[in-house]
Amino acid sequence: RKEVEQDPGPFNVPEGATVAFNCTYSNSASQSFFWYRQDCRKEPKLLMSVYSSGNEDGRFTAQLNRASQYISLLIRDSKLSDSATYLCVVNGGWEYGNKLVFGAGTILRVKS
Amino acid sequence: NAGVTQTPKFRILKIGQSMTLQCTQDMNHNYMYWYRQDPGMGLKLIYYSVGAGITDKGEVPNGYNVSRSTTEDFPLRLELAAPSQTSVYFCASRESGGGETQYFGPGTRLLVL
Repeated sequence: RKEVEQDPGPFNVPEGATVAFNCTYSNSASQSFFWYRQDCRKEPKLLMSVYSSGNEDGRFTAQLNRASQYISLLIRDSKLSDSATYLCVVNGGWEYGNKLVFGAGTILRVKS
Repeated sequence: NAGVTQTPKFRILKIGQSMTLQCTQDMNHNYMYWYRQDPGMGLKLIYYSVGAGITDKGEVPNGYNVSRSTTEDFPLRLELAAPSQTSVYFCASRESGGGETQYFGPGTRLLVL
């Protein structure tokens, strides 16, 4: 089983749509969780951290369910500029040298 | 600040050749990382460093070597290039002590033929 699993997509949605991505992780000791965004042929960049209570940043909402080892990202009112690959990232904690484990990513294509 | 810079941007190697991928950061970050990204796969950690003079293996270290003589630089060495090393290589850095955000360089695309 992969440490971090994501639906690869692609998710093809029209502008203005709401889209949700899911991610599961296998290490129950993981302490920190993130969503990174990667544009085509570019480096990954932090989109947002994910907190247990859930957190929102504009049109983006991230949620964490520790019991189910599940992370989600909701994008409302999709824009063309949201087209990218979204990487679910988990920090294994100090026992694992605080190394990040990356999912393979979910591709989002927003069309006009 | 330039952030994390990598050179070269693109390189073609023949099997058996060697090369060094350069990575420099100007944010005074102690932690630095090398990842490779294959198509449709997540980033895999090759090597990492928690400070000058300290390096450690990641998930996929075979065929690579690193050094960390300064805080700023973290070069990755390929000694005998193989087709399996065709990939995109990203260098990243982060603060120690709390800051978990990793900042990535623009990547080096390597093709081994």
